[in-house]
Amino acid sequence: EDQVTQSPEALRLQEGESSSLNCSYTVSGLRGLFWYRQDPGKGPEFLFTLYSAGEEKEKERLKATLTKKESFLHITAPKPEDSATYLCAVPSQGGSEKLVFGKGTKLTVNP
Amino acid sequence: ETGVTQTPRHLVMGMTNKKSLKCEQHLGHNAMYWYKQSAKKPLELMFVYSLEERVENNSVPSRFSPECPNSSHLFLHLHTLQPEDSALYLCASSQDPGIGNQPQHFGDGTRLSIL
Repeated sequence: EDQVTQSPEALRLQEGESSSLNCSYTVSGLRGLFWYRQDPGKGPEFLFTLYSAGEEKEKERLKATLTKKESFLHITAPKPEDSATYLCAVPSQGGSEKLVFGKGTKLTVNP
Repeated sequence: ETGVTQTPRHLVMGMTNKKSLKCEQHLGHNAMYWYKQSAKKPLELMFVYSLEERVENNSVPSRFSPECPNSSHLFLHLHTLQPEDSALYLCASSQDPGIGNQPQHFGDGTRLSIL
């Protein structure tokens, strides 16, 4: 069964304190991995797609990396506005349109 | 308007009411999706429409009835809902159906509360 596990469930950082979020997956034949950011009362906002092991993508203070079993979202010198829930998702096996999502990591950055 | 818009943003209804959720995408995409998001649970896919044809129904109870009149509009018709159906309902779209590795773009959802 396809599964996506994110850790930690919640993370509190001080402004400027760098850290990483983890997303591990069990789907075979990975066809891509997506990172989203979700603010309270809003829908998920697309951040990155990673397609193959070793690939990296960057956007401002965020950098996403991918290995054969997991992905990391590195946050460098975070600011309070980076506070959000970060979601990871992978396409299900079998070529369907289904995305399998993790439960997310709720990030809080204190000033 | 740009992106994916959903209306209404909030809905409170009794268990015997009938209501509809509306989604419109302005991205020129060919696939549209309904998701349910409950507290402490991952997003749950409900329905997938590809080029206006339903291609996936993820074991959703019949009290939820989707409709896709064209590639830009998606509806979710609700009737005789249960309290456990209270959740955030999200609509999403993606560019090309049948590929499955393209990002989906989400609206801001309808917060549904069942009394």
